[in-house]
Amino acid sequence: DAKTTQPPSMDCAEGRAANLPCNHSTISGNEYVYWYRQIHSQGPQYIIHGLKNNETNEMASLIITEDRKSSTLILPHATLRDTAVYYCIANSNSGNTPLVFGKGTRLSVIA
Amino acid sequence: GAVVSQHPSWVICKSGTSVKIECRSLDFQATTMFWYRQFPKQSLMLMATSNEGSKATYEQGVEKDKFLINHASLTLSTLTVTSAHPEDSSFYICSARETGQGRSRKLFFGSGTQLSVL
Repeated sequence: DAKTTQPPSMDCAEGRAANLPCNHSTISGNEYVYWYRQIHSQGPQYIIHGLKNNETNEMASLIITEDRKSSTLILPHATLRDTAVYYCIANSNSGNTPLVFGKGTRLSVIA
Repeated sequence: GAVVSQHPSWVICKSGTSVKIECRSLDFQATTMFWYRQFPKQSLMLMATSNEGSKATYEQGVEKDKFLINHASLTLSTLTVTSAHPEDSSFYICSARETGQGRSRKLFFGSGTQLSVL
């Protein structure tokens, strides 16, 4: 899996949009970009994933650059419950391929 | 969405005893499950890949005789920490990828098991 690079930490005011960047400059054509988050003492929670096109679901939006070398996860209206470590992972999505976690970004949502 | 159930959520045991952790896929079948370990303030580290009906594949540095993995059915994988010692105290997490057609399949995670060895 391609290596991803994320800032170690970010702050965001409650109610504002949280934009979490991720660099994956060596991503290959068959690798998806996955985003998970982990709230303290819980298992990782799936947020969203995409291949080329931008994606949106009830939790977040994923913006992938045209060259696919970077992406941004957007939480449109951050709440205190969104405080967590967010992981960006490039993965080929085959059945036997695990997700390899980097250090992620620790997002703190501030009231 | 798909659910992965992990049990127990936490366990405290004496040094030298064995502890079994169960991971179940509740609404889908999983031929492959993954086991991770996480130490405080660190990221998840892959320990092993559990394959239904065959031997698990362990990552480098993970002792297969200490961390026994059994994947006897398409919905259940177990991790047994044998002769646990304080250094085995950690947060253990399992995961499984949903089955089905197509390449865009998500990996779901259990809620984790906090093991404390006294």
